[in-house]
Amino acid sequence: TQLLEQSPQFLSIQEGENLTVYCNSSSVFSSLQWYRQEPGEGPVLLVTVVTGGEVKKLKRLTFQFGDARKDSSLHITAAQPGDTGLYLCAGVYPNTGNQFYFGTGTSLTVIP
Amino acid sequence: DSGVTQTPKHLITATGQRVTLRCSPRSGDLSVYWYQQSLDQGLQFLIQYYNGEERAKGNILERFSAQQFPDLHSELNLSSLELGDSALYFCASSARPITGLSTDTQYFGPGTRLTVL
Repeated sequence: TQLLEQSPQFLSIQEGENLTVYCNSSSVFSSLQWYRQEPGEGPVLLVTVVTGGEVKKLKRLTFQFGDARKDSSLHITAAQPGDTGLYLCAGVYPNTGNQFYFGTGTSLTVIP
Repeated sequence: DSGVTQTPKHLITATGQRVTLRCSPRSGDLSVYWYQQSLDQGLQFLIQYYNGEERAKGNILERFSAQQFPDLHSELNLSSLELGDSALYFCASSARPITGLSTDTQYFGPGTRLTVL
């Protein structure tokens, strides 16, 4: 069973602070996605990364894919209350029949 | 609104019963995915269909089955329900099957919350 571990599991910060969330695996990903899920709703895709070392930016969010394609990070600058939610990484591993494996999730609360 | 619809939104039933969850993908999407989300297991991939055919299978129990119909809607059947089957069940869709190097987007529906008493 492929395992994606995310850290931290819970994070509570003040508005305006910066934060980083990590996603790690012992196996190489073919590709990796980050999602945000709000209570009572389905996950919404934020970004897909495919190339090792790739960095993508989405407004105040910066996503990085590790050089070895086994890990990824999500950095949020100047967090806002609207960033509150569950952040999930999801990876596709080679030779697994296109199964998506989701991480354990990071629950972020941004306090106004 | 992702464009993916799921019914019912809530379902309460008893152990041993059978239920059917329904999903309509976004207009034009041919791939449908089913997921189970519980507090202890997180979000688990169950099964994927593309244009009516099964494309990938995850940790789906033998008591569970799914199909995708010619009009592309999909149903997930859960039988001999147990307390541990209580969870949120999500359907997602994409235009094409998402492979390892694909950057296609998977759109999730709002989910069906199943409670087994």
